Amino acid sequence: EPEVTQTPSHQVTQMGQEVILRCVPISNHLYFYWYRQILGQKVEFLVSFYNNEISEKSEIFDDQFSVERPDGSNFTLKIRSTKLEDSAMYFCASSVGGPFYGYTFGSGTRLTVV
Amino acid sequence: QKEVEQDPGPLSVPEGAIVSLNCTYSNSAFQYFMWYRQYSRKGPELLMYTYSSGNKEDGRFTAQVDKSSKYISLFIRDSQPSDSATYLCATSGAIQGAQKLVFGQGTRLTINP
Repeated sequence: EPEVTQTPSHQVTQMGQEVILRCVPISNHLYFYWYRQILGQKVEFLVSFYNNEISEKSEIFDDQFSVERPDGSNFTLKIRSTKLEDSAMYFCASSVGGPFYGYTFGSGTRLTVV
Repeated sequence: QKEVEQDPGPLSVPEGAIVSLNCTYSNSAFQYFMWYRQYSRKGPELLMYTYSSGNKEDGRFTAQVDKSSKYISLFIRDSQPSDSATYLCATSGAIQGAQKLVFGQGTRLTINP
């Protein structure tokens, strides 16, 4: 069964450093998302991406965050200057056509900012 | 008021029991309702979805939506230890397009052999 692949599975970074989280969505999917889950809290929407541009972003997705689909297969989330409160599990998801078709989530990248 | 509320549990039941998991939502714009299952250190996995009031059955799982009271339920019959996971309800404002999902807190469920 097709999977959404995320790398790395765990990243530790120092506060203020830039990190790039990588995702390979399912190949025929058109919609791409990043969500995050702070330990013990809800899964929260960050950003959706369609047709090479951001469709919607949440209040969390401020100027420190950016997304890219650089080569038609990878989908990346960059955090420019990490803060302690960015420590969370980051999930990439993709969908062929939106909620009706189901979202497939990756296994996540655990980001720890120290 | 939180958009989607879900009792985080934990909920522990014996094998074979019927499990009832519930969520409430506040926004009438939500039209599409899902249940996801999440195992430890894994991403959410779609279990069931529905976009109308009433029941939808899939094997041992039944999803129920009552739009008049903004109430979502998931029932698990003949629960198995392998059903032990965190169950997340989620809603969306539309069926198609780049619609975000709004999740509940998740209920941690343990099925004891």
